[in-house]
Amino acid sequence: QKEVEQNSGPLSVPEGAIASLNCTYSDRGSQSFFWYRQYSGKSPELIMSIYSNGDKEDGRFTAQLNKASQYVSLLIRDSQPSDSATYLCAVSINFGNEKLTFGTGTRLTIIP
Amino acid sequence: DVKVTQSSRYLVKRTGEKVFLECVQDMDHENMFWYRQDPGLGLRLIYFSYDVKMKEKGDIPEGYSVSREKKERFSLILESASTNQTSMYLCASSSGTATYNSPLHFGNGTRLTVT
Repeated sequence: QKEVEQNSGPLSVPEGAIASLNCTYSDRGSQSFFWYRQYSGKSPELIMSIYSNGDKEDGRFTAQLNKASQYVSLLIRDSQPSDSATYLCAVSINFGNEKLTFGTGTRLTIIP
Repeated sequence: DVKVTQSSRYLVKRTGEKVFLECVQDMDHENMFWYRQDPGLGLRLIYFSYDVKMKEKGDIPEGYSVSREKKERFSLILESASTNQTSMYLCASSSGTATYNSPLHFGNGTRLTVT
């Protein structure tokens, strides 16, 4: 079983709709959870971090964490074509960023 | 803005060659990391470093070594390049451990091809 699992997609969402990206992890001791966005041919960039159960909102992005069920999700409201990218879920067992384990990513396409 | 600079964007090397990948960051970050990224396998941690002259093995250190003689520079060394080391290599840095909001800043990547 992979430590961090994501549906590879592609996930196609109409412009203006909500895109929902999911991630599950295997280590119950995981403490820190991150979502990175990676455009084709570019490096990953951090878009959200979440450490506590519940929701965390930042603009059009909402991260949701459920430690009991070992999943973390990312919602993108009012999806824009510029949101088309691969979204990487990353998990760390320690607070901070050392030794992040990444999922393989979900490719999201926003259809105009 | 944090800048993480990798010395080469594309590199082609022959099997058996010793290969050096260089990474420099300009934000005085304590932590530096080397990942490789392959289709279907995602990002995998090769080595990381918390401080000058310190290094820790990641998940796939075999066939690699690292050097951190100065805080801003972290080098990845392929002792004897093999074709299965053909990959995209990403360097990253972050400002410190136990810091809730310390993101990883990635360089632009080096696409290495070993023939």
